[in-house]
Amino acid sequence: GAGVSQSPSNKVTEKGKDVELRCDPISGHTALYWYRQSLGQGLEFLIYFQGNSAPDKSGLPSDRFSAERTGGSVSTLTIQRTQQEDSAVYLCASSGTAQETQYFGPGTRLLVL
Amino acid sequence: DAKTTQPTSMDCAEGRAANLPCNHSTISGNEYVYWYRQIHSQGPQYIIHGLKNNETNEMASLIITEDRKSSTLILPHATLRDTAVYYCIVRVGHDYKLSFGAGTTVTVRA
Repeated sequence: GAGVSQSPSNKVTEKGKDVELRCDPISGHTALYWYRQSLGQGLEFLIYFQGNSAPDKSGLPSDRFSAERTGGSVSTLTIQRTQQEDSAVYLCASSGTAQETQYFGPGTRLLVL
Repeated sequence: DAKTTQPTSMDCAEGRAANLPCNHSTISGNEYVYWYRQIHSQGPQYIIHGLKNNETNEMASLIITEDRKSSTLILPHATLRDTAVYYCIVRVGHDYKLSFGAGTTVTVRA
């Protein structure tokens, strides 16, 4: 079946601009996660959505970052006033529930000039 | 979560089995062993996971020692497309914040 999809696959933007990254989870998965992976760095948790519960935003690095999940499916991660240190691969994952295996999308490679 | 220790890198000949070790000596009774891999410029790919028993799927086999302090991921017939960084992690089911260590860089050579 279809896996997690993300768009765009690559995004180049100028410092100070806003960007939106999209994630389509596996159909039927109620849990959705955003992570960030910087060059040579490990996986950094950003935010977690589970059904209609309040999201866990504890990993968001600053108030320039926000995410929403509409209709319990598609999610959008928004970065306002991008900075060069925001350059990274942004990964989305989904799972049936929070206890189950997470499946990752291909990621969005963000480059802030 | 318990920490894991993996070799930094290993080479494997194409067509041969690749055996990837992982130490998790402080693993708790309710922690699962998970393996993911990340091929260059791609998102992490789930491979397999287990609690106590050995597991096998279409991608690999997972052998967990009886004391659960270590495990081995076996790729039965490595191909060039198996070249990737392989991550061994342990997690309790309800801990959804995954984190990867440095992993093992596996290079499959023709």
